[in-house]
Parts: sequence; C-alpha cells; structure tokens
Amino acid sequence: SQQGEEDPQALSIQEGENATMNCSYKTSINNLQWYRQNSGRGLVHLILIRSNEREKHSGRLRVTLDTSKKSSSLLITASRAADTASYFCATDGSSNTGKLIFGQGTTLQVKP
Amino acid sequence: GAVVSQHPSWVICKSGTSVKIECRSLDFQATTMFWYRQFPKQSLMLMATSNEGSKATYEQGVEKDKFLINHASLTLSTLTVTSAHPEDSSFYICSATGTRPDTQYFGPGTRLTVL
Repeated sequence: SQQGEEDPQALSIQEGENATMNCSYKTSINNLQWYRQNSGRGLVHLILIRSNEREKHSGRLRVTLDTSKKSSSLLITASRAADTASYFCATDGSSNTGKLIFGQGTTLQVKP
Repeated sequence: GAVVSQHPSWVICKSGTSVKIECRSLDFQATTMFWYRQFPKQSLMLMATSNEGSKATYEQGVEKDKFLINHASLTLSTLTVTSAHPEDSSFYICSATGTRPDTQYFGPGTRLTVL
C-alpha cells in the first residue's frame, strides 16, 4: 500500500526560482530516496538519504530528512525548464527486501 | 552502467489477448526484479517482487493468475498480462537490484493499451 504523501501535488514556478517538495511517510525506514520521472518515461534516481542522515546535497539538489516527523523535503535550487517533471519520494519501510513504497508525487512545472 | 531495458516500449492489443513484457538488466546480474504499475497522473504501485529461480511474491490485491511473472535468469524477468481487458491499460515499469538491495535501477516502462 502507498504510505507516502507528497505536498504539494503540483507546483509551478519561474526559471531561476527554487522549488521545494515535501514527503511524509508512516513507518520506520532504513532510507528514503527521491526519483524524477519525465512524462511517459521511466524513473531516474536522484538521491538516497539514510535514516541516520539529516541532510544531503547533490548538485542543485538538497534533501533533508526528519525521522522524528517522518518527513523529507527536496529542494531544487535555481530551477531550469529542464527540471519540469514529476518527483517521487520512496521509502523502504525498514525492510531489507529492496521493496520501495512510493509517495503520490509532485508535478513540477518550470516556466522559461 | 546499471542499465535496465524493457521491451516493448508500447503495445496495443485486443481485449482477451495476452501480452508479454520483458525486463532485462544489460550490464549487471539482477538478484531481484520488481514490477510496478502506474496509472495516468498517479504514483507507482508495486505489483510483485521476483527473484531468479523462484516464484514471484505478489502484493495484496494483485491477481497472480492474471499477471504471470517469470524470472528465468539473472538478467531477464517477464510479465505476462493474461486475458487483458481495457482496465489493464497502464504503464508497466520494472526495476532491478544487484548486490545492493537499496539501489534499484528502473526500466523505461511499457505503455499497454487494451482495446
């Protein structure tokens, strides 16, 4: 079952602005991951943050994790039109099976 | 490295027919493969987990007799949608893990349309 909720469901910003997406989950986790999906395409892995980490950076991406609140955020700085896509968080539900539980996703539109 | 392919990328079939979708790991051995279904504007729903040489584990609510999964080798898993109906129309995505179970590599997806 889906355990992640993402907020907002849709976000529209101008190029150059920052975009922040939030994800909440329900059970304990080993790690949380963020993925990007362009329309009609497969998923691209962006970043993985482990339960003992609070913040992680990768290029223009910054991910935070608050396990006490069971929430994570993805910040994209200096957004570009090419960042237009859907973004999903996924958790492993503290299992070691590799199974992922995806959030509902945030659709980001970056206007040039 | 770590490329996963799917074939076909899209398929249109008549109601009542069966469709097979292949998922291959091209440059690594996939100990586990996962199959997801995604309806328009929705998230990915895990359908089943398959390990090479053993029966797939299906998620609750997924009919195992309708969605047949075969993981015959460490680089190939197939999903067969049997007696497809229009409500089976969806985007089917596979993923694979190698030696690290926390890293999944996703295929590009297969768009199934049942008329």
